[in-house]
Amino acid sequence: SQQGEEDPQALSIQEGENATMNCSYKTSINNLQWYRQNSGRGLVHLILIRSNEREKHSGRLRVTLDTSKKSSSLLITASRAADTASYFCATVHSGNTPLVFGKGTRLSVIA
Amino acid sequence: DTAVSQTPKYLVTQMGNDKSIKCEQNLGHDTMYWYKQDSKKFLKIMFSYNNKELIINETVPNRFSPKSPDKAHLNLHINSLELGDSAVYFCASSLGLGETQYFGPGTRLLVL
Repeated sequence: SQQGEEDPQALSIQEGENATMNCSYKTSINNLQWYRQNSGRGLVHLILIRSNEREKHSGRLRVTLDTSKKSSSLLITASRAADTASYFCATVHSGNTPLVFGKGTRLSVIA
Repeated sequence: DTAVSQTPKYLVTQMGNDKSIKCEQNLGHDTMYWYKQDSKKFLKIMFSYNNKELIINETVPNRFSPKSPDKAHLNLHINSLELGDSAVYFCASSLGLGETQYFGPGTRLLVL
């Protein structure tokens, strides 16, 4: 299966702390994307990182990609209660295949 | 203005019925998708259309039939609904296959 695997499955932190989520995959990718899903809502795109990139930032979000280890991490700094959501990584493999989503990490940020 | 919209938002129906879900995007994208998200939040692609042509058809029962009347619309018709079809169905669109996707709000289908 090409499906990415997020780790941990669930994460609970205090407001103000940093949250780190990891994603591992099995076969070569063209790009890797992170999405957020608030309860009862659709997915929202956060960051796309291409296979030739190692790090990208967007506001309080930092994504790293290590193609040698076939893994990526999403760091949310200074977390807020509003960051409470499920976070999914999705991979696009060679040949521009459709996105393959992992099972997600459920993040709870406690005020 | 909603970029990707779906109707209806909720759908409760009896087993054996036929139902349709509609999706529209106003982003000018070429590629549209249907996903199914089960109770464990696992998101699985069902179909993808590019410029009104079917390009991806995952292992989905043939009771599910997508239809794209134009580039901005991708509808999903489901025949003979079964209990296992209960899930949230998401429509999405992107400029091209493998690019950033924009999701609709989802249609929560409950088959009784």
